[in-house]
Amino acid sequence: AQRVTQPEKLLSVFKGAPVELKCNYSYSGSPELFWYVQYSRQRLQLLLRHISRESIKGFTADLNKGETSFHLKKPFAQEEDSAMYYCALRGYGGSQGNLIFGKGTKLSVKP
Amino acid sequence: NAGVTQTPKFRVLKTGQSMTLLCAQDMNHEYMYWYRQDPGMGLRLIHYSVGEGTTAKGEVPDGYNVSRLKKQNFLLGLESAAPSQTSVYFCASSRGTAGNTIYFGEGSWLTVV
Repeated sequence: AQRVTQPEKLLSVFKGAPVELKCNYSYSGSPELFWYVQYSRQRLQLLLRHISRESIKGFTADLNKGETSFHLKKPFAQEEDSAMYYCALRGYGGSQGNLIFGKGTKLSVKP
Repeated sequence: NAGVTQTPKFRVLKTGQSMTLLCAQDMNHEYMYWYRQDPGMGLRLIHYSVGEGTTAKGEVPDGYNVSRLKKQNFLLGLESAAPSQTSVYFCASSRGTAGNTIYFGEGSWLTVV
């Protein structure tokens, strides 16, 4: 079964502290992994995708196929990083093309 | 550069009433999706469409119907609203499947009383 697990509902850190938002997935084939961010009452925005291997707003994520993980990391959190973060999966070769989402982690960065 | 636009943004319905949410995209995308977002549940796929004139059921389709008469529009209908359908609804679109970014609308807040 295809599944995305984000074990933390809420993650609270102080400004300047490192952040790691965990994401584990279950998928039998070859997946695409994404991180989407949702600021308060706004639309979801694509933050990262594993195939691009880029850093956006200081965030990075590495796909670890052995551990089936795609954790999101940032070395120094900023207050403006406070938002809801969703890890999502899409299977290569699927006809639907839809994303399967985790339940999300709310990141709160305190001053 | 509108992208994905949803109307209405907010609506309060009485149980048993019907309504339609409209999603419009101006990116000539083939694929369109309707998700609902509930606290602690993430986003769940209601229905989707892989092209004009086609629709299919997603993970939570019961109580909803959809239509894709025009490529740019994807309508989500509630025939007889129930309190369990109180949610935030997001429309999304994509050019294709693997390798293509999925873009989201701003969301529609629906309350059924």
